[in-house]
Amino acid sequence: DAGVIQSPRHEVTEMGQEVTLRCKPISGHDYLFWYRQTMMRGLELLIYFNNNVPIDDSGMPEDRFSAKMPNASFSTLKIQPSEPRDSAVYFCASSLAGPYEQYFGPGTRLTVT
Amino acid sequence: GENVEQHPSTLSVQEGDSAVIKCTYSDSASNYFPWYKQELGKGPQLIIDIRSNVGEKKDQRIAVTLNKTAKHFSLHITETQPEDSAVYFCAASYGGSQGNLIFGKGTKLSVKP
Repeated sequence: DAGVIQSPRHEVTEMGQEVTLRCKPISGHDYLFWYRQTMMRGLELLIYFNNNVPIDDSGMPEDRFSAKMPNASFSTLKIQPSEPRDSAVYFCASSLAGPYEQYFGPGTRLTVT
Repeated sequence: GENVEQHPSTLSVQEGDSAVIKCTYSDSASNYFPWYKQELGKGPQLIIDIRSNVGEKKDQRIAVTLNKTAKHFSLHITETQPEDSAVYFCAASYGGSQGNLIFGKGTKLSVKP
């Protein structure tokens, strides 16, 4: 199994630009999670999906953030417009059942200048 | 709200010694407690987990113990090796089978050869 796949691995952009992060979950996993990791706030959940439907988006910081899951094998996290405080590592994870045995991707390191 | 406290934030041991990391959680309904290891530049890797109906679980050199009454759980690593050096995160489930995880802030473990 290839594991959770994320792209790009690194993204550097200027303030105000749109950023799109991509994730392919493990095949057969019904749950997909987006996390953000910073030194100050640690690992925090942004949003998660069950069977392509958003279940909890209370962690999405602002309307500038949006996430979609058009099918079982693909999800995007979009930031528009981006700001320097969005700089962080963004992880995607997937699981067969809710919180149990979540497997993380390698992450996307986002730098907004 | 739900919270997971993790201690210590940093831990330095000599190769061959044991390391113990402790976590407490706030939600008495939590029933799943995983531990993740994160190496530099990589995503968190699930190393061991325990469910609330079990008091202890062991996998080679690592073990996890759970005290539901006190809402404590701990990770024990015996015969530490330099490759054990990483950041370790504990987590606790919330929201039931369709819920999610809340993570501790992490422990940076350094194993000195």
